Amino acid sequence: DGGITQSPKYLFRKEGQNVTLSCEQNLNHDAMYWYRQDPGQGLRLIYYSQIVNDFQKGDIAEGYSVSREKKESFPLTVTSAQKNPTAFYLCASSTYPRVPQETQYFGPGTRLLVL
Amino acid sequence: GENVEQHPSTLSVQEGDSAVIKCTYSDSASNYFPWYKQELGKRPQLIIDIRSNVGEKKDQRIAVTLNKTAKHFSLHITETQPEDSAVYFCAASRGAAGNKLTFGGGTRVLVKP
Repeated sequence: DGGITQSPKYLFRKEGQNVTLSCEQNLNHDAMYWYRQDPGQGLRLIYYSQIVNDFQKGDIAEGYSVSREKKESFPLTVTSAQKNPTAFYLCASSTYPRVPQETQYFGPGTRLLVL
Repeated sequence: GENVEQHPSTLSVQEGDSAVIKCTYSDSASNYFPWYKQELGKRPQLIIDIRSNVGEKKDQRIAVTLNKTAKHFSLHITETQPEDSAVYFCAASRGAAGNKLTFGGGTRVLVKP
């Protein structure tokens, strides 16, 4: 999991502003994922991508957008439509689909706060 | 979709005692069950996982058991140590359609010295 990086560590968003969270991996993993974690709760899937130029909505995609132009990168944009964005955002990757059921490895996370 | 419930939400044990966390899942097609440990402000880290063709798996002080018929799986930590204090999450996946993980709500474990 040391091969997954997220930036920034902390991010502040103003009302009506779009912000983008970065996720990069050098593990040669095909699949990448974005999760949201609220205080004292589990992780919920926002978006995932199995291959370049393809991605699917997870359970809580509303107010978020993603792109997958490169295998190594899977940025997440939190749009102004997301009315309660304060949370800890975690990116993960795995070798799926080359190896089904493979472990997901997490990045260090980005904590998003609203000003 | 899949639903994973985890109990208890908090668990306090004396150092050296055992800790058990239980999870139930709803999708009978789920076949991969990882457990993650998350320390405060850090990323979740995999501690053990089990696949549906196995009923039990051990790794030193940690073991996981799976009952496919009842659709539940459990994490067992023996001889607990203060460094075991953390939040533990169970998850379930069908291994298909993106290998999406559905997480339980987490268990905060406190090991008292």
